[in-house]
Amino acid sequence: DAGVTQSPTHLIKTRGQQVTLRCSPKSGHDTVSWYQQALGQGPQFIFQYYEEEERQRGNFPDRFSGHQFPNYSSELNVNALLLGDSALYLCASSLLGQSLSGANVLTFGAGSRLTVL
Amino acid sequence: GQSLEQPSEVTAVEGAIVQINCTYQTSGFYGLSWYQQHDGGAPTFLSYNALDGLEETGRFSSFLSRSDSYGYLLLQELQMKDSASYFCAVRDSSYKLIFGSGTRLLVRP
Repeated sequence: DAGVTQSPTHLIKTRGQQVTLRCSPKSGHDTVSWYQQALGQGPQFIFQYYEEEERQRGNFPDRFSGHQFPNYSSELNVNALLLGDSALYLCASSLLGQSLSGANVLTFGAGSRLTVL
Repeated sequence: GQSLEQPSEVTAVEGAIVQINCTYQTSGFYGLSWYQQHDGGAPTFLSYNALDGLEETGRFSSFLSRSDSYGYLLLQELQMKDSASYFCAVRDSSYKLIFGSGTRLLVRP
């Protein structure tokens, strides 16, 4: 059973460019959350998607946007890249019903490491 | 606001016991979770406490005191493979999971 898969694993961009990161959730999961993790820090919540809608959003500017497709996969887009956007971007999937009733257990992918030069 | 505080680094000897503390302040509280992340790896779920008390899962145990907004992760019989970062996380009223900054555990021979 494949877990959460993310692509690409590594990428390098320059300031001002745009990037799209992709995520396929664990089989059976319907909710996708995106997190940004700077080096030596904890994951910071960007947003969460369920039923192709953004349900929750963290404290990130509008340059960060996302999408969820009917097959539950998701994309994270970042426009007008800044040096400070360099980080590991983690995708996590979960089952909404489980989240509402108890532990919000997230299954994470290995992440996409973005370097902005 | 929301904040979680945990020590940045802990060092222990193989075979020993180590406790990683976490204090939190959130708008709404729906449980405390712990995740482990090895260098270059994905965070993986370890445990969850919704009610006060101790939850045990093999060598790992997790404790919660809601009145003190405090919890801890206890790792027993430490092994070298336990060297990793450990994050406490709180589920708030909007169901999203908010993570602490992490505790880096170094297990020495």
